Amino acid sequence: NAGVTQTPKFRVLKTGQSMTLLCAQDMNHEYMYWYRQDPGMGLRLIHYSVGEGTTAKGEVPDGYNVSRLKKQNFLLGLESAAPSQTSVYFCASNPSGLNNEQFFGPGTRLTVL
Amino acid sequence: AQSVTQLDSHVSVSEGTPVLLRCNYSSSYSPSLFWYVQHPNKGLQLLLKYTSAATLVKGINGFEAEFKKSETSFHLTKPSAHMSDAAEYFCVVSKAAGNKLTFGGGTRVLVKP
Repeated sequence: NAGVTQTPKFRVLKTGQSMTLLCAQDMNHEYMYWYRQDPGMGLRLIHYSVGEGTTAKGEVPDGYNVSRLKKQNFLLGLESAAPSQTSVYFCASNPSGLNNEQFFGPGTRLTVL
Repeated sequence: AQSVTQLDSHVSVSEGTPVLLRCNYSSSYSPSLFWYVQHPNKGLQLLLKYTSAATLVKGINGFEAEFKKSETSFHLTKPSAHMSDAAEYFCVVSKAAGNKLTFGGGTRVLVKP
């Protein structure tokens, strides 16, 4: 099993450009999450999904959109990138239910100029 | 609301000496607590988790943590540091609905030879 994979690994955007980050998991997990990691702030939840076709806002959702059209994929979109969105983005998944370990992808480093 | 405070942003230890990483949490209900480790330019890996069973939790690579409800703490320890323990460590609390995680700010561990 590949676990959780993220595409791309690195990306540089100019202010105002758009892009989509792809997260894929092959563990048949119900729940998926997108986080951003900034120095000294740990990881902060952007959006999450508790099943195919569902999405919900996390702690810092502004400027991002998500879609979960297939159970194994969770897409994070930036419609108009801003320098404040320069960060490392992590995707995670876990089985449904409480107290389950989240499995993290390797991350995507995004720079917005 | 729940929150997590990691009391030290950086910890420096000598190889072979004990490691102590301090974490305090606040939660309005019985929490699930985790410690994750992130090696440089890598994703996050679960070290251990507490889910209201034994208060002393053993994890991978010789780490353990003790849940103290009266002190709202979940400190991480290891008796003897190894060079491979150099990484960033995150204390995390889980919220029941959606299994959403709240991260502390992280503690970066430096191990000196």
